[in-house]
Amino acid sequence: QVQLVQSGAEVKKPGASVKVSCKASGYTFTNYGISWVRQAPGQGLEYMGWIRLYNGYTDYAQTLQGRVTITADTSTSTAYMELRSLTSDDTAVYYCARAEPLRPLDYWGQGTLVTVSS
Amino acid sequence: DIQMTQSPSTLSASVGDRVTVTCRASHSISTWLAWYQQKPGKAPKLLIYKASSLESGVPSRFSGSGSGTEFTLTISSLQPDDFATYFCQQYTTYSLLTFGGGTKVEIK
Repeated sequence: QVQLVQSGAEVKKPGASVKVSCKASGYTFTNYGISWVRQAPGQGLEYMGWIRLYNGYTDYAQTLQGRVTITADTSTSTAYMELRSLTSDDTAVYYCARAEPLRPLDYWGQGTLVTVSS
Repeated sequence: DIQMTQSPSTLSASVGDRVTVTCRASHSISTWLAWYQQKPGKAPKLLIYKASSLESGVPSRFSGSGSGTEFTLTISSLQPDDFATYFCQQYTTYSLLTFGGGTKVEIK
């Protein structure tokens, strides 16, 4: 069965960077993409960007351009999301999800809580 | 950017009620709309895609309708397991997927 398993919770100081992983199984990794979505405490869902795995193409939400990088290691079926220059506004649960153009996000990881605090 | 506006933000209902949630897009998105259910501490779960197609395994009491800019999610007879937050999402382009603000369905 399709599974996306994310890395564990992180606590970071303002100005630091965080890198969250998302390991996929149960399907052919390179046939899809991976999107990243975050959710601040008590808030809605914010799309961050995605990576098309067969060619490594990436696209990011304009609000995060320059601070976020999505990469992948196809040999281990793992995607990564790195967010730099963290502030308290980046405190959120970060989700990865399986992505495909003109398809909804059908499988999601369990979420990774990133807390930014001095 | 395509903005998605959901209403109401909170809805109080009883078991057995028919519940309707509305989602409005700022530009036409044809039927490229999905609905998700989220429970506290859990990832969103896909319920409906292409505005009205039921995801495999989702109970038939859930249904979706609409096209263009106006969409609805209906729960025909609310069950205890349905108390959750519901989000709509447009997926016309992967340059910018956008979500509605969410509708929390509470026990009346």
